[in-house]
Amino acid sequence: DAGVIQSPRHEVTEMGQEVTLRCKPISGHNSLFWYRQTMMRGLELLIYFNNNVPIDDSGMPEDRFSAKMPNASFSTLKIQPSEPRDSAVYFCASSEFASSGGYTFGSGTRLTVV
Amino acid sequence: DAKTTQPTSMDCAEGRAANLPCNHSTISGNEYVYWYRQIHSQGPQYIIHGLKNNETNEMASLIITEDRKSSTLILPHATLRDTAVYYCIVRKLTGANNLFFGTGTRLTVIP
Repeated sequence: DAGVIQSPRHEVTEMGQEVTLRCKPISGHNSLFWYRQTMMRGLELLIYFNNNVPIDDSGMPEDRFSAKMPNASFSTLKIQPSEPRDSAVYFCASSEFASSGGYTFGSGTRLTVV
Repeated sequence: DAKTTQPTSMDCAEGRAANLPCNHSTISGNEYVYWYRQIHSQGPQYIIHGLKNNETNEMASLIITEDRKSSTLILPHATLRDTAVYYCIVRKLTGANNLFFGTGTRLTVIP
């Protein structure tokens, strides 16, 4: 099992550009989570999906952020337009079911917006 | 979910047991105690969880006090690779779907 796979590992972009982060959850896991980590705010849940359906997006900071899960093996987090304050490490995690608590995290995408 | 309190940092000698405490005095009867750790530049890693009985797996042991107001994560023989931030999280098993990561304890294993 390759675990949760995120791409790219690092992303540097200019302010105003669109950024798309990608995640492939563990096969058979039906819950997927997007987290963001900064020094100031720590780890924050942005959105999570159960069976490809968004359940709670209350953590999404603003309309510039959107997330999709078109099928059980793929999810994207898009920021458009990006701003310097979006610079952070973005983690994707999956679990067998949302309430289990035993999440498996990916290695993260370090986003830098200049 | 109940709030947790952990020391900001701890040191442990390599090969010795690392005992990481966590206070969760407002825990309710249906809330579990979870432990995760985050090694530098990696995603958080699940370690162990429990309700009221002590738990042990290949990574660690979890000791929960009888009143459930505190717990201790024990790494029996700490290695340099155990240097990480350790998060104690309390949450319900059903309904709530968020893992709230506080500031955790930064454990440094010293050679």
